[in-house]
Amino acid sequence: NAGVMQNPRHLVRRRGQEARLRCSPMKGHSHVYWYRQLPEEGLKFMVYLQKENIIDESGMPKERFSAEFPKEGPSILRIQQVVRGDSAAYFCASSPQSVSGRDYGYTFGSGTRLTVV
Amino acid sequence: AQKITQTQPGMFVQEKEAVTLDCTYDTSDPSYGLFWYKQPSSGEMIFLIYQGSYDQQNATEGRYSLNFQKARKSANLVISASQLGDSAMYFCAMRELNSGAGSYQLTFGKGTKLSVIP
Repeated sequence: NAGVMQNPRHLVRRRGQEARLRCSPMKGHSHVYWYRQLPEEGLKFMVYLQKENIIDESGMPKERFSAEFPKEGPSILRIQQVVRGDSAAYFCASSPQSVSGRDYGYTFGSGTRLTVV
Repeated sequence: AQKITQTQPGMFVQEKEAVTLDCTYDTSDPSYGLFWYKQPSSGEMIFLIYQGSYDQQNATEGRYSLNFQKARKSANLVISASQLGDSAMYFCAMRELNSGAGSYQLTFGKGTKLSVIP
């Protein structure tokens, strides 16, 4: 019963490079959410995806950021041409369904800590 | 206006004592959910407790209980018999419907850093 798997755990990129963050949801979960946590802050919603569909990207910056959740394989959060301000912890969460209820629990991964130097 | 407000940036509690972490929220969605998460220094987010807006009883999970006061829009976390391992950041979060996207969204507060003193 593996939980939500995120990799890499730590990622260092130089300014201008691309960062790719991966998230494999829990078995049986078809909904994936990405959150960003800046230092000393709570988590901020970025994007919500189902298989092959972006459902809500209202929290995604308009430029340089993209996300996908293909039919096969993990969800990917891609940041192009990274800048220092992108340094943060990026968390992925998954859920089995998107309806209200006690079991509508988000299971979080351990996060990817991105450092831009 | 902030949707989730945690007014205590930091709290100290003596080991074995109880502590209350405050959380107030703001929503117009009648069907919402409230969550508390623990984030230890290792960084992972650990689910602690959930309260639905229509739940009649306050939620309890072991040493954690949620003091839900709907009219005041508060959902305070109570930790009884604090342990050293409880030292961590604690985040209150609310799930509500994002009507524009037609999907539910989880919004977090800025957190409270709890330190348990031996």
